[in-house]
Amino acid sequence: AQKITQTQPGMFVQEKEAVTLDCTYDTSDQSYGLFWYKQPSSGEMIFLIYQGSYDEQNATEGRYSLNFQKARKSANLVISASQLGDSAMYFCAMREIYDDTGNQFYFGTGTSLTVIP
Amino acid sequence: DTEVTQTPKHLVMGMTNKKSLKCEQHMGHRAMYWYKQKAKKPPELMFVYSYEKLSINESVPSRFSPECPNSSLLNLHLHALQPEDSALYLCASSLLLRDGGSYEQYFGPGTRLTVT
Repeated sequence: AQKITQTQPGMFVQEKEAVTLDCTYDTSDQSYGLFWYKQPSSGEMIFLIYQGSYDEQNATEGRYSLNFQKARKSANLVISASQLGDSAMYFCAMREIYDDTGNQFYFGTGTSLTVIP
Repeated sequence: DTEVTQTPKHLVMGMTNKKSLKCEQHMGHRAMYWYKQKAKKPPELMFVYSYEKLSINESVPSRFSPECPNSSLLNLHLHALQPEDSALYLCASSLLLRDGGSYEQYFGPGTRLTVT
């Protein structure tokens, strides 16, 4: 079964508007971490935001916030006030804290975001 | 400092060549990773090193040979590659969970490999 599901292959947003990128995950562990990464066309994977499974507050980092709904197993990324530089691929990822090695990161298939001027 | 460096940025090699990709980090991370990524796809895990020992090998062909000479360096030796091996190769590092601290994984800028 897919550990991370991103159902939006491509999204468009008007500059200065907010956009939500969807992510659902599948785990039976109680302890896990959820991440979002941005990958511009240059190729570098840029870490954006982290949410721990025990964190009660939604994570925020500047214009990025993570809408964490544990019961629904969703971890949507919200980008406020979109900028042209936000055009990129966005990957949701998960790390299970107590798996065999603790080192496996699972990635979704990604969402390509295009910001329209 | 959250920097992971990779060299070279671009590499073109023939199917009979031998080349190496290099990765370096100075964040004290004891887990280091190699990923292969095709365009518009997520990264695919190839290898994981924990405390300089290979802990995960995702059934990667033997023409890819990883090496972790010390806690800061990770190499990927390439030999007799095929054109379908052309991809972006990403190195990453993270803290090991038993070491505590943050959980995120930091990536280098990648090496764009073309096999001709």
